[in-house]
Amino acid sequence: SQTIHQWPATLVQPVGSPLSLECTVEGTSNPNLYWYRQAAGRGLQLLFYSIGIDQISSEVPQNLSASRPQDRQFILSSKKLLLSDSGFYLCAWSVKATGSTGELFFGEGSRLTVL
Amino acid sequence: TQLLEQSPQFLSIQEGENLTVYCNSSSVFSSLQWYRQEPGEGPVLLVTVVTGGEVKKLKRLTFQFGDARKDSSLHITAAQPGDTGLYLCAGGRQGAQKLVFGQGTRLTINP
Repeated sequence: SQTIHQWPATLVQPVGSPLSLECTVEGTSNPNLYWYRQAAGRGLQLLFYSIGIDQISSEVPQNLSASRPQDRQFILSSKKLLLSDSGFYLCAWSVKATGSTGELFFGEGSRLTVL
Repeated sequence: TQLLEQSPQFLSIQEGENLTVYCNSSSVFSSLQWYRQEPGEGPVLLVTVVTGGEVKKLKRLTFQFGDARKDSSLHITAAQPGDTGLYLCAGGRQGAQKLVFGQGTRLTINP
């Protein structure tokens, strides 16, 4: 069966510090991978998605970057965090589809607080 | 730009009541998904609808895709406290490898 893990689960960082959130998927190959950010109790904002190794699409100009060094690994980074980067970050994967996007399977989430 | 508008954003009702959540857009989607999310966890898929006018039932939950594939609704009959959570709709377009999410409906069912 497929599983997705992301870490750390909780992170408190000072403004200006770097960030690295990691996500790995097991039990599938060549998935689409996604990073979303969620404000408290609100909808999901797509930050980055990837259809393959080193193929990253950025949806929102911001202080963050993403990388996919391996097929099932997706990393969200920042060189210098801003207060506005605080939020709940969700990694997700989906099977590649010829039609529209299929079901998204989400990780457990990473709660980032920037102080 | 919010392409999918959900209403209401917050809903608090008593156990046993019925409710409907709406997901509207001016754009056409090839598919519409509904997710439910509990605090501190990732969303989990409830249903996918792909055909205009399609109706799907999941126990006490009824999902409908509008004829023009621009809107969808989620109706819950005899709501229970276990239905409490954040409900999210998400639209997909043909050939696009990403979904657009609505801003969510926070549902609270009081015993």
